[in-house]
Amino acid sequence: DTEVTQTPKHLVMGMTNKKSLKCEQHMGHRAMYWYKQKAKKPPELMFVYSYEKLSINESVPSRFSPECPNSSLLNLHLHALQPEDSALYLCASSQWGKLGEGYTFGSGTRLTVV
Amino acid sequence: GQQVMQIPQYQHVQEGEDFTTYCNSSTTLSNIQWYKQRPGGHPVFLIQLVKSGEVKKQKRLTFQFGEAKKNSSLHITATQTTDVGTYFCAGPPYGGSQGNLIFGKGTKLSVKP
Repeated sequence: DTEVTQTPKHLVMGMTNKKSLKCEQHMGHRAMYWYKQKAKKPPELMFVYSYEKLSINESVPSRFSPECPNSSLLNLHLHALQPEDSALYLCASSQWGKLGEGYTFGSGTRLTVV
Repeated sequence: GQQVMQIPQYQHVQEGEDFTTYCNSSTTLSNIQWYKQRPGGHPVFLIQLVKSGEVKKQKRLTFQFGEAKKNSSLHITATQTTDVGTYFCAGPPYGGSQGNLIFGKGTKLSVKP
């Protein structure tokens, strides 16, 4: 299995809602990432987990809360989002400490905050 | 902080013409990775370069990593309509966390048949 699976593919939520984005990989990768991508912009790093521990948090607002329950799963909990948080949220995974293979991205969750 | 610039921002070519995008980092990179994102799609890993001055080829694509490990280029020979998309370079800063992959702004390629 060489895929990163993200659910849901599309999500519309109100500013008072709580929702979660899910990401799963079965490639044995020990690093997982959340990126945010606005239209016509590059992916912007949000969080990095290595060996199920948060290793990088790029000054992301607390309304975004990541969770890594095990080495295959990564969640992003959303609460009290703003309309400007509407974007494509990409999950990725990679080997940690092994060069040459790059990141494998999921197809993303397209989030709209109303 | 580290900045990764790419030029040009957009490139329109006739099918069969060549295409080149250039990537420049404000800091030395541990390695440089290239990704392709089709319209409506997600980034797909193309290649990683690690050594100073390294050149790698994938069919019609040629990738170079500069001697100072601060710049890179991607050249496509005889473009096809399947090459359409945005090409991103990305790299972690030298000595920094390997997970801190910073993407360039990308070059959007359109190919006219």
